[in-house]
Amino acid sequence: EDQVTQSPEALRLQEGESSSLNCSYTVSGLRGLFWYRQDPGKGPEFLFTLYSAGEEKEKERLKATLTKKESFLHITAPKPEDSATYLCAVQVTRQLTFGSGTQLTVLP
Amino acid sequence: GAGVSQTPSNKVTEKGKYVELRCDPISGHTALYWYRQSLGQGPEFLIYFQGTGAADDSGLPNDRFFAVRPEGSVSTLKIQRTERGDSAVYLCASSPTGGGSTGELFFGEGSRLTVL
Repeated sequence: EDQVTQSPEALRLQEGESSSLNCSYTVSGLRGLFWYRQDPGKGPEFLFTLYSAGEEKEKERLKATLTKKESFLHITAPKPEDSATYLCAVQVTRQLTFGSGTQLTVLP
Repeated sequence: GAGVSQTPSNKVTEKGKYVELRCDPISGHTALYWYRQSLGQGPEFLIYFQGTGAADDSGLPNDRFFAVRPEGSVSTLKIQRTERGDSAVYLCASSPTGGGSTGELFFGEGSRLTVL
């Protein structure tokens, strides 16, 4: 059974304090690993797709990396507007299997 | 441009009642997904449509849940004899990719269902 585990469950950072979120996965035949951002009361918003170990993607203060067993979402010098829940998902067939997310709070 | 639209945004019903949730995907998107999200959890897959047909309904929890997409655009998720455990946010997503990799999913804001 495909499993996706995200840690930590919650993270509080001061503005400018860089950190990383972890997504570890156990799947057979990974087709892609996805990162989404979800604000309260909203649907998830796509951030990145990673397809193979060693791949990296960047967008503003966010950088996603992928190994054979886990992915990291690095947040550099975060701002309060980066506060959200960050969801990781894996694709084996056509559907995505999501982790429970990391709730990030960035304090001014 | 218009995103994925879901109605109603909130639905409160009584145990045992019938509920319909509607999803209007982005125009031209052939793939449509329904997910369910409980508080503090990630979205859980329910069903996937490619065009008018349900290509994968393995996530539907039981036969009280049914979904249709008769013309390959709007989809309706139908829940019969609702139970308190059905309370959740029901998310719809669409994708322009037909077959092969899913690629990016575009999510609606969800329909929050509360069963009393």
